[in-house]
Amino acid sequence: DAGVTQSPTHLIKTRGQQVTLRCSPKSGHDTVSWYQQALGQGPQFIFQYYEEEERQRGNFPDRFSGHQFPNYSSELNVNALLLGDSALYLCASSWVRGARETQYFGPGTRLLVL
Amino acid sequence: GENVEQHPSTLSVQEGDSAVIKCTYSDSASNYFPWYKQELGKGPQLIIDIRSNVGEKKDQRIAVTLNKTAKHFSLHITETQPEDSAVYFCAARAGGSTLGRLYFGRGTQLTVWP
Repeated sequence: DAGVTQSPTHLIKTRGQQVTLRCSPKSGHDTVSWYQQALGQGPQFIFQYYEEEERQRGNFPDRFSGHQFPNYSSELNVNALLLGDSALYLCASSWVRGARETQYFGPGTRLLVL
Repeated sequence: GENVEQHPSTLSVQEGDSAVIKCTYSDSASNYFPWYKQELGKGPQLIIDIRSNVGEKKDQRIAVTLNKTAKHFSLHITETQPEDSAVYFCAARAGGSTLGRLYFGRGTQLTVWP
């Protein structure tokens, strides 16, 4: 049973550029949440997608946007990158329709903005 | 929103000793409390979780206790081993829906010396 997968594993961008990160949820899961983890900090919630809609959003600007596809996979897009966007971006999946609250995390995408 | 505080930030123990990590939360409506272990270069891995209708849960060498009145919960690791060395995060989910976002503590770096 494949766990949560994310791509790419690492990414280097320059300020002002745009980036797209991808996530495939654990088999059977229908919900994807995205978190940003700065160095030495706990993960911070960005947003959550269920039934292809954004259901909840954390305190992140509109430069951060996302999408969920019919197969439950998801993308995180960040526009106009800032140096402060450098972080580990984590995707977590869960099974909301099955009332299973456990969130399983992927390995993350390490983004460096120069 | 919810605020999760975690202590200590670093913890060093001798192999075979016990380790305790404590967290407090602010929102009395929070009802689900997972603990994650994160090794270097990897995503957080769920190690144990507890719901608000349960006071204690144990899984082999790991246990979690919850005091709803005081709004704090703790992770207990007995008979520690060097492979337990990692960063541990506590989290709380606000509200009663399985769509609820997770709020994380800042993490505890646990080092187990052989």
